[in-house]
Amino acid sequence: GAVVSQHPSWVICKSGTSVKIECRSLDFQATTMFWYRQFPKQSLMLMATSNEGSKATYEQGVEKDKFLINHASLTLSTLTVTSAHPEDSSFYICSARADSYRNTIYFGEGSWLTVV
Amino acid sequence: ILNVEQSPQSLHVQEGDSTNFTCSFPSSNFYALHWYRWETAKSPEALFVMTLNGDEKKKGRISATLNTKEGYSYLYIKGSQPEDSATYLCAPIMIYNQGGKLIFGQGTELSVKP
Repeated sequence: GAVVSQHPSWVICKSGTSVKIECRSLDFQATTMFWYRQFPKQSLMLMATSNEGSKATYEQGVEKDKFLINHASLTLSTLTVTSAHPEDSSFYICSARADSYRNTIYFGEGSWLTVV
Repeated sequence: ILNVEQSPQSLHVQEGDSTNFTCSFPSSNFYALHWYRWETAKSPEALFVMTLNGDEKKKGRISATLNTKEGYSYLYIKGSQPEDSATYLCAPIMIYNQGGKLIFGQGTELSVKP
């Protein structure tokens, strides 16, 4: 089946620094990618939707300047957490979709971010 | 805000038991429903994409039904095995959702004891 690779799996960074998480579709072209965040004991919360070559659409309450999303090619989207703070520590996971709404959406393995 | 509810939140069964859980979503503006299985430390795995009222899909011992008129879907697991232990997530897509984004329920955490 289709594979989405997310990197890094784990990252620890100092407060105030920025960290980038990559999401790649390995064997298909992802016209749309989604970024989610999971808080402890809660479900996946959609942060933003990104379409290749255009600006990401952020969900209400998600800071655009804090969570920079770039979808520069049909196989790569990146999430940059800027000026990270301990409250940004979380599990972040991406997913990618090839075409229509009914097509399966494939998930990456997720990334654990710890800000110290 | 799209209201997606899954019940129960957690379920503990013995190996061999059959089980089922529910996903409820708004019945109006429905487009499609996705079911995922998420094992710890792995990527969520797509199980089913359902679109039509009355749809029934099957994958091995797992099956799902869809009722779009009343806004619910059932997921059934026949003869549960320890390897079925995972969190099962549902996510409807509504007609008005730009880009077909998935809004997930909280999931049902299934634990199957040998």
